[in-house]
Amino acid sequence: DTAVSQTPKYLVTQMGNDKSIKCEQNLGHDTMYWYKQDSKKFLKIMFSYNNKELIINETVPNRFSPKSPDKAHLNLHINSLELGDSAVYFCASSHGLADGNTIYFGEGSWLTVV
Amino acid sequence: QKEVEQDPGPLSVPEGAIVSLNCTYSNSAFQYFMWYRQYSRKGPELLMYTYSSGNKEDGRFTAQVDKSSKYISLFIRDSQPSDSATYLCAMSAVGGADGLTFGKGTHLIIQP
Repeated sequence: DTAVSQTPKYLVTQMGNDKSIKCEQNLGHDTMYWYKQDSKKFLKIMFSYNNKELIINETVPNRFSPKSPDKAHLNLHINSLELGDSAVYFCASSHGLADGNTIYFGEGSWLTVV
Repeated sequence: QKEVEQDPGPLSVPEGAIVSLNCTYSNSAFQYFMWYRQYSRKGPELLMYTYSSGNKEDGRFTAQVDKSSKYISLFIRDSQPSDSATYLCAMSAVGGADGLTFGKGTHLIIQP
């Protein structure tokens, strides 16, 4: 029974398209995150939500818009995709903001923009 | 200079060897130090979690933090082929509320 699940796992799309990645956690956690792992393997935080409220919004283009319909879901919508958006996107969750060191990651969504 | 430096490897050792993985950092505000393990095509999973300086042991794994030198280590004893993975160090200043700062990861290969 997957704790943090995200779909799709693989996504290949053309420049200029709009795409979404969905994430759900069944751990009962209050805080959810999106991290990006680029081609150089650096894992960087993009957003965090606590009880559906945006907490962290790192320097990410406005084309990226997270949406949290409830505290178990955090989706990522990307508009006007660019080649540089190709990366692995990881959804994650933790009990709360104070537990932000013990993060449970999903398996990742491999996005390739052509 | 990046906040967290970690040798990407690959580091290849024979089965049964003791493995030493390390990270250095520049931000003296970091107080929480973690090691995550990431298998190929999978998400990172938390392996070890330490606060401030000192040692922590969990089975075959030992994490060390030396805040004075801004240097952290992960030791793996009696290494197994199943330990082959990428090991990422991660750090935070305020318990992760601002997000974690990760190293690049070290790709470890344990040869049977």
